Amino acid sequence: DAKTTQPNSMESNEEEPVHLPCNHSTISGTDYIHWYRQLPSQGPEYVIHGLTSNVNNRMASLAIAEDRKSSTLILHRATLRDAAVYYCTYNNNDMRFGAGTRLTVKP
Amino acid sequence: DTEVTQTPKHLVMGMTNKKSLKCEQHMGHRAMYWYKQKAKKPPELMFVYSYEKLSINESVPSRFSPECPNSSLLNLHLHALQPEDSALYLCASSQRRGLIYSIQYFGAGTRLSVL
Repeated sequence: DAKTTQPNSMESNEEEPVHLPCNHSTISGTDYIHWYRQLPSQGPEYVIHGLTSNVNNRMASLAIAEDRKSSTLILHRATLRDAAVYYCTYNNNDMRFGAGTRLTVKP
Repeated sequence: DTEVTQTPKHLVMGMTNKKSLKCEQHMGHRAMYWYKQKAKKPPELMFVYSYEKLSINESVPSRFSPECPNSSLLNLHLHALQPEDSALYLCASSQRRGLIYSIQYFGAGTRLSVL
């Protein structure tokens, strides 16, 4: 199973950038790093994934360390709608979730 | 259409009842999943189906019985549940099991209360 370490909670102010870290020191060379988030009263939703190089999409950016043992999800301008629990995993063959980070966004 | 539809949204049942949860997707995905989520906890994987065959059972009690009658449909049959089984039950699908870059799509869940 994927073993990941994330802070339990983080806070951000609205319209400021947020950097959500994840440690995945036992990742293998072919594992993709995936991020999902779960908004209140909803199922998890895909955010972004990557293998080695940094990735960008309309929701977020993913910065992957050179040794791939850690990654950072970047929300460039947090909004109130980004308040959620964010999960990282690196074994998306069968998605198993760690505890995740609960992000609070303050107006 | 990237939707996974779960019905019902809410379910209340007694410990002697038999009920079923239903999950449907029309994305052509051949891997489907059941998860259980307790309040303030991450989802826990229960079952994985690949090409309509059960691939993973995470030591789930037999009072939970999954079924995948076709590639679009996944059921979870419930019988003789306990109050501690009250939780949010989530269904998900992905393109193929074994594609490590494959994205999972989740339904909104069925909130189950066992009295």
